[in-house]
Amino acid sequence: SQTIHQWPATLVQPVGSPLSLECTVEGTSNPNLYWYRQAAGRGLQLLFYSVGIGQISSEVPQNLSASRPQDRQFILSSKKLLLSDSGFYLCAWSPSATNEKLFFGSGTQLSVL
Amino acid sequence: QKEVEQDPGPLSVPEGAIVSLNCTYSNSAFQYFMWYRQYSRKGPELLMYTYSSGNKEDGRFTAQVDKSSKYISLFIRDSQPSDSATYLCAMSAREWETSGSRLTFGEGTQLTVNP
Repeated sequence: SQTIHQWPATLVQPVGSPLSLECTVEGTSNPNLYWYRQAAGRGLQLLFYSVGIGQISSEVPQNLSASRPQDRQFILSSKKLLLSDSGFYLCAWSPSATNEKLFFGSGTQLSVL
Repeated sequence: QKEVEQDPGPLSVPEGAIVSLNCTYSNSAFQYFMWYRQYSRKGPELLMYTYSSGNKEDGRFTAQVDKSSKYISLFIRDSQPSDSATYLCAMSAREWETSGSRLTFGEGTQLTVNP
């Protein structure tokens, strides 16, 4: 069966520090991968998605970037965090480009102070 | 105007009640409709998945889609305290393969079932 791992679960970082969140998927090949952000009291905002290694699409211009160095690995990064980057970050995958079902990781609660 | 509207609640009901959760949408191209359940500080999990109009039942859960009214519902029968969570609706239309799957989410309704 397929599983998705996302870490860390909680992160507290000072303003201006770098960020690296990692997500890996097991039990499938060539998944579509996604990074979402969920702010308190708000819906899910799609940040990045990837349909293959090295292929990244950005949905929202911002202080963040994403990379996919391996087929089942997706990384969310920032060189300098802003206060507004605080939120709940979710990695997700879908089996193929035509399958609307998303499967989410457990999330990372990021607090930028 | 948002493409998907969902009352954020909070909604509080007694154990055993029938719960009705709803979303409306404006994009007539949507044809895939989902409900996700999200426990506090956890990732959402897929609860129900339907295509086009009609009903789908899974245990205590029933999903309804009315495309003519652009309205979807999730019913929970015999609600339990373990059903306490945020419920998000999501929907999509087919897109070109290279652009990947796209879901438009509602903001979620927070539900509490009191014992």
